[in-house]
Amino acid sequence: AQKVTQAQTEISVVEKEDVTLDCVYETRDTTYYLFWYKQPPSGELVFLIRRNSFDEQNEISGRYSWNFQKSTSSFNFTITASQVVDSAVYFCALRVPYNQGGKLIFGQGTELSVKP
Amino acid sequence: GAVVSQHPSRVICKSGTSVKIECRSLDFQATTMFWYRQFPKQSLMLMATSNEGSKATYEQGVEKDKFLINHASLTLSTLTVTSAHPEDSSFYICSARDSRLAGYQETQYFGPGTRLLVL
Repeated sequence: AQKVTQAQTEISVVEKEDVTLDCVYETRDTTYYLFWYKQPPSGELVFLIRRNSFDEQNEISGRYSWNFQKSTSSFNFTITASQVVDSAVYFCALRVPYNQGGKLIFGQGTELSVKP
Repeated sequence: GAVVSQHPSRVICKSGTSVKIECRSLDFQATTMFWYRQFPKQSLMLMATSNEGSKATYEQGVEKDKFLINHASLTLSTLTVTSAHPEDSSFYICSARDSRLAGYQETQYFGPGTRLLVL
């Protein structure tokens, strides 16, 4: 069975600190997709990144970076020089292959609070 | 990017009434839509998968007679919460599968969500 674990329920940092959000996943599929979403207080999910299982290159987008390691089944997310606007709940998700339904399995979420 | 809308964004109803939530893909056709539910301080859990022209597939533990799903067209899926009770109060989010791009580029887009409060 597929599963996503975000062990950090809440993280609080001071502005300009770097912060890493952990994500560990479980799947037996050889092809899979991992996602990160941001959910601000409004509730709308904001797509951040998608990564497929064949691409282990780390990615950087501005202050955001992602570290994908198949050997440890982890897909961690780092925010550099955090800002108050980064305060939100962040979800890591695993997409089941479409021949198995294609649903997204979400982790429990990490609530990030960035204080000024 | 592709847009998915939901209506209404917020609804308050009395216990025992039925509530219909619409999910529309605005600039693409979606043969598959997903309905998720999120309780406060919790994660999103899939309720059902909606396929155009066929019956929805419900996740274990979700009452299909209580949560009626109709995917009558390629751009619209509706979720009806029948005889709603306070415990159905939640945030309901839909997503639509955009299959215009093949393979790994295929993606899903989320609607903005509907907050349901049952008094």
